[in-house]
Amino acid sequence: DSGVTQTPKHLITATGQRVTLRCSPRSGDLSVYWYQQSLDQGLQFLIQYYNGEERAKGNILERFSAQQFPDLHSELNLSSLELGDSALYFCASSLNRQGTIYFGEGSWLTVV
Amino acid sequence: AQSVTQLDSHVSVSEGTPVLLRCNYSSSYSPSLFWYVQHPNKGLQLLLKYTSAATLVKGINGFEAEFKKSETSFHLTKPSAHMSDAAEYFCVVSDLRDDKIIFGKGTRLHILP
Repeated sequence: DSGVTQTPKHLITATGQRVTLRCSPRSGDLSVYWYQQSLDQGLQFLIQYYNGEERAKGNILERFSAQQFPDLHSELNLSSLELGDSALYFCASSLNRQGTIYFGEGSWLTVV
Repeated sequence: AQSVTQLDSHVSVSEGTPVLLRCNYSSSYSPSLFWYVQHPNKGLQLLLKYTSAATLVKGINGFEAEFKKSETSFHLTKPSAHMSDAAEYFCVVSDLRDDKIIFGKGTRLHILP
């Protein structure tokens, strides 16, 4: 158990809908990362937050947004969902910029 | 700019034989290097990490990796493969100067009985 908790574990939704994925980082970790993993694209970095502020941005679509709250948990919002958004979404956390990154078990999103 | 290249997308070895998964990196500063393993339908688990201490790093499940600055390599090895080692392995590089963490494309390890 990495200590990073993601909910929900599985989610099936229709095209055009909006979903929110939630992540609780390991206790004490200030950085939260979001990744998308799909068969065709592999593991893609989406976005990173550090202590509530956006720190780095990767291949995140405009339809997607994220935030990190004062209690350090984070949410990834996916809107206007398309079939191609079906993927495994990982949250990860680390103590600081150089810290080891610990991954959650992921949230499986299926868009039908 | 940092980069990481995993030289093989698939590696097949027989059970009981050595494992070698190759990783080359590019970083103009002192990098931190990691290997992660992902079993099917699971999250990524840290195998080991290098952070400028000993160049030979021992990890979990009998894996180790050697940091070779002259060759810019961080290859993952295990003396004797086990069926449970079948998984995808990711080499990762980060450095102090920015917040980017770069993942390799992964190497899928197949263990033959």
